[in-house]
Amino acid sequence: ETGVTQSPTHLIKTRGQQVTLRCSSQSGHNTVSWYQQALGQGPQFIFQYYREEENGRGNFPPRFSGLQFPNYSSELNVNALELDDSALYLCASSSPTANYGYTFGSGTRLTVV
Amino acid sequence: AQSVTQPDIHITVSEGASLELRCNYSYGATPYLFWYVQSPGQGLQLLLKYFSGDTLVQGIKGFEAEFKRSQSSFNLRKPSVHWSDAAEYFCAVGAVTNAGKSTFGDGTTLTVKP
Repeated sequence: ETGVTQSPTHLIKTRGQQVTLRCSSQSGHNTVSWYQQALGQGPQFIFQYYREEENGRGNFPPRFSGLQFPNYSSELNVNALELDDSALYLCASSSPTANYGYTFGSGTRLTVV
Repeated sequence: AQSVTQPDIHITVSEGASLELRCNYSYGATPYLFWYVQSPGQGLQLLLKYFSGDTLVQGIKGFEAEFKRSQSSFNLRKPSVHWSDAAEYFCAVGAVTNAGKSTFGDGTTLTVKP
């Protein structure tokens, strides 16, 4: 079991730019959820992917998009970055046999200036 | 709509003292409840979870939580706190069928005094 790995760990972008964050899940983890955690707040659900298809979205605009790949990796893409997008982005993955337990990565800290 | 309230933003306890962190939830169906811990700069680690069975749930690191449906609460407890327990604690609620779409509270920061 190798856990959930996120890259990069830290990132600084300029307002208006685009960013791609990556998550590598454990083998067999065909469900991945992405969360945004602003400073001083709890994580907020962005969206979930199951077998490479979006399977639910939270209250986030379309400029937040994602992809999931057959090798259990996934991406979170954010276009037209705004200052309020500065946050810790977490991915969490699960397998069908995990009794709905999710394993979280350590996150990517995005700063938009 | 589902929601989670953690009334205590910050709690300070002495090492060796008991701890209780409060969590109240609102959910329209059978909830799946979680407690996570987050150390600075780290992701979330699952302490324990509950969706059915015995309402007193045992977790890792000596933590336990009690589900009280009548009070819509899921409070976290530990009989004797260690300095290494200092961290941020999050309560979350999700669907039994899809815990990956959970709603989190805003967390409680625990400080442990020597």
